[in-house]
Amino acid sequence: GAVVSQHPSWVICKSGTSVKIECRSLDFQATTMFWYRQFPKQSLMLMATSNEGSKATYEQGVEKDKFLINHASLTLSTLTVTSAHPEDSSFYICSARTGYYGYTFGSGTRLTVV
Amino acid sequence: QKEVEQDPGPLSVPEGAIVSLNCTYSNSAFQYFMWYRQYSRKGPELLMYTYSSGNKEDGRFTAQVDKSSKYISLFIRDSQPSDSATYLCAMTRREGGSYIPTFGRGTSLIVHP
Repeated sequence: GAVVSQHPSWVICKSGTSVKIECRSLDFQATTMFWYRQFPKQSLMLMATSNEGSKATYEQGVEKDKFLINHASLTLSTLTVTSAHPEDSSFYICSARTGYYGYTFGSGTRLTVV
Repeated sequence: QKEVEQDPGPLSVPEGAIVSLNCTYSNSAFQYFMWYRQYSRKGPELLMYTYSSGNKEDGRFTAQVDKSSKYISLFIRDSQPSDSATYLCAMTRREGGSYIPTFGRGTSLIVHP
């Protein structure tokens, strides 16, 4: 089946630095990638939708200059958290659509900003 | 009112019990309905999906959709401790050329031996 590989699974960074999270579709082409943020015991909050070769569409309230999304190829999408602060600490998950109903998720990245 | 409502629980049941998980929604544009299981600090994995109203069975899992009531359910028979996880309902609507998913907040299920 479709697999989305997400790295790193856990990252600790200093406040003010930038962190890049990668999601790769291993055996299919992901034309659309969704990026979510999840706080403990909360639902997945959609941050942005990216389509290969075009600019990402950000949800209301999400700072596009802070959360940079690049989807330059059909198998790779990246999320860069720029100038990270402790309030950016969260669980970030990517998801690629694999059909009308199929959304394959990455394993998630736990970001801790200290 | 949120588009998708789901009780966060936790729901604690003994092993072997029948579990009922539910979501309600308000947007009649939703077309596809899914249930995902998420273990702690992992990405969600798809359990079941349905399109039309009615029941769909897969092993110990049964997904039920009632579009007239805007209500979906997931039943788990003979629940096992390994079923302990958070279960998220999800549904998609079409926007332009894309199907946009909306997730419930998830219900935490605990199956104790």
